[in-house]
Amino acid sequence: DAGITQSPRHKVTETGTPVTLRCHQTENHRYMYWYRQDPGHGLRLIHYSYGVKDTDKGEVSDGYSVSRSKTEDFLLTLESATSSQTSVYFCAISNVGGTSTDTQYFGPGTRLTVL
Amino acid sequence: AQSVAQPEDQVNVAEGNPLTVKCTYSVSGNPYLFWYVQYPNRGLQFLLKYITGDNLVKGSYGFEAEFNKSQTSFHLKKPSALVSDSALYFCAVRAAQDNDMRFGAGTRLTVKP
Repeated sequence: DAGITQSPRHKVTETGTPVTLRCHQTENHRYMYWYRQDPGHGLRLIHYSYGVKDTDKGEVSDGYSVSRSKTEDFLLTLESATSSQTSVYFCAISNVGGTSTDTQYFGPGTRLTVL
Repeated sequence: AQSVAQPEDQVNVAEGNPLTVKCTYSVSGNPYLFWYVQYPNRGLQFLLKYITGDNLVKGSYGFEAEFNKSQTSFHLKKPSALVSDSALYFCAVRAAQDNDMRFGAGTRLTVKP
């Protein structure tokens, strides 16, 4: 999975608790993304980062925040988890330059269940 | 905003037959188009992309796709399907000037022996 790890891989939590998911890359790619995957919706972009401390909102950003203090790490935080945030979360990375320009490569995913 | 439609939730083909997975898109400006495949409990794997140039794009595992600007389509094809091609396939689009990539809902391909 292109030098991308996600942790944890599975998590069960209760409504109202904070949750942080971590994405770590060893590719030194500039861009990092968080998506959620739900049946019938494909993947939807939550937030993305275009550099250290540079982030922007995606299509479904409400209820989520992100931080990127180092090139290799991109954190996704659910400040107060809700059942509607039960989903599979994927991190992706991309870079500029070379034949891989604009191609996003995905991590293995984190399955989050909010009870 | 850009969008992608995959009109078929499910495609069934017999092994050895050609397969097509359909994708149409809507985007302002020049499109960047992608196909990804997802196997059970795995992340998405990149298959191929169209950025510019030749309308016929060849990718991994014998797959190819044809960019048709007039029909705003980017259908995925393979001349001879394998049972191991059975998986979930996603088409995605982004505008050339944008980082916001939109995915289709996915098409489940089943190849029967």
